[in-house]
Amino acid sequence: EPEVTQTPSHQVTQMGQEVILRCVPISNHLYFYWYRQILGQKVEFLVSFYNNEISEKSEIFDDQFSVERPDGSNFTLKIRSTKLEDSAMYFCASSDRVNTEAFFGQGTRLTVV
Amino acid sequence: KQEVTQIPAALSVPEGENLVLNCSFTDSAIYNLQWFRQDPGKGLTSLLLIQSSQREQTSGRLNASLDKSSGRSTLYIAASQPGDSATYLCAVRLGWGGSEKLVFGKGTKLTVNP
Repeated sequence: EPEVTQTPSHQVTQMGQEVILRCVPISNHLYFYWYRQILGQKVEFLVSFYNNEISEKSEIFDDQFSVERPDGSNFTLKIRSTKLEDSAMYFCASSDRVNTEAFFGQGTRLTVV
Repeated sequence: KQEVTQIPAALSVPEGENLVLNCSFTDSAIYNLQWFRQDPGKGLTSLLLIQSSQREQTSGRLNASLDKSSGRSTLYIAASQPGDSATYLCAVRLGWGGSEKLVFGKGTKLTVNP
């Protein structure tokens, strides 16, 4: 069964460092998303991406965040200068059309120390 | 601003019991609603998707209903098993064309005791 794959599963980084979280969405999907979940809190939307550009972003998705689809299969989230409060589980998701079922990856647990 | 609330926050039941998880949302202008399962430290597994024009969806022992006008959805789990123990999340997608994001509730943590 097709699935969304995320790497790494866990990343520890020092405050101020740049991190790149990687995702391989389901192959025929066209819409890609990043969400995050701070421990004990709700899953929050960060950004959606379609046709090689950001289609929607939340207030959380400020200038320190960026997304990219560098090739036909990968979708990345870059955090330029990590802060302690960026520690969270980051989920990638994809869907074949807008407003259809979203499939999520297993997540990357980011720990900023 | 759309708010999604799930009650109860936690539920513990004996194996074999039928149970209902509740989800409410403040803005009825949704496009669809999706129920997920989350195991500890893991990703989100999609269980059911209900479009705004539908009243219910079924998958195996799971049945989800939607009453858009009252801003409510329920997830019914029949004959619960210990393997059903997980956190169940409800998420709504805002009105068609207006937004692509899902807005999540905080979840109901279900424990099914053998």
